[in-house]
Amino acid sequence: GQSLEQPSEVTAVEGAIVQINCTYQTSGFYGLSWYQQHDGGAPTFLSYNALDGLEETGRFSSFLSRSDSYGYLLLQELQMKDSASYFCARASNTGKLIFGQGTTLQVKP
Amino acid sequence: ETGVTQTPRHLVMGMTNKKSLKCEQHLGHNAMYWYKQSAKKPLELMFVYNFKEQTENNSVPSRFSPECPNSSHLFLHLHTLQPEDSALYLCASSQDRQAYGYTFGSGTRLTVV
Repeated sequence: GQSLEQPSEVTAVEGAIVQINCTYQTSGFYGLSWYQQHDGGAPTFLSYNALDGLEETGRFSSFLSRSDSYGYLLLQELQMKDSASYFCARASNTGKLIFGQGTTLQVKP
Repeated sequence: ETGVTQTPRHLVMGMTNKKSLKCEQHLGHNAMYWYKQSAKKPLELMFVYNFKEQTENNSVPSRFSPECPNSSHLFLHLHTLQPEDSALYLCASSQDRQAYGYTFGSGTRLTVV
């Protein structure tokens, strides 16, 4: 199978750190991507991990552990504008992205 | 604008109508994709085109017919749709099929009545 699992909702306060986890099935796995989507907007690419470890881009970091079939997106110094849906997506060796159902992040003042 | 433009933004069509969705990118990308996004469901991959050739049809009903005349344009032709086809249809592009940083358009919100 190629499904992914991530929490449906996460709530955090402004300035805090939040981690959104994603587990995936390993069949044909190539890498893990993360996307952000605001209400009514286009999904926006955040990061891609093909190898184990942490990738940092400003306030956002993404981590992958292939041995654990697990990854996460870490958002630091949360801002109100970070309220959005976050999708993990697995890349397959056949060149396609399969998306998880998304995590709705609500940032409160 | 993301670099991928979709038209129309909103579309209401009857079940007997024929309509087309258009996607255009001038990012120099060679792969283009159609995804369907329904409420409470993950983005569902529909079709993949790489260098104008269809490389993936994810068991999509024949009432959806894609067309890719060149690497910059992608169409989705719709006919005899069902109400359950109402969704946000997203187009995306990437440098090639093995590049996983997709650029998405803002989508067409389709309502079938």
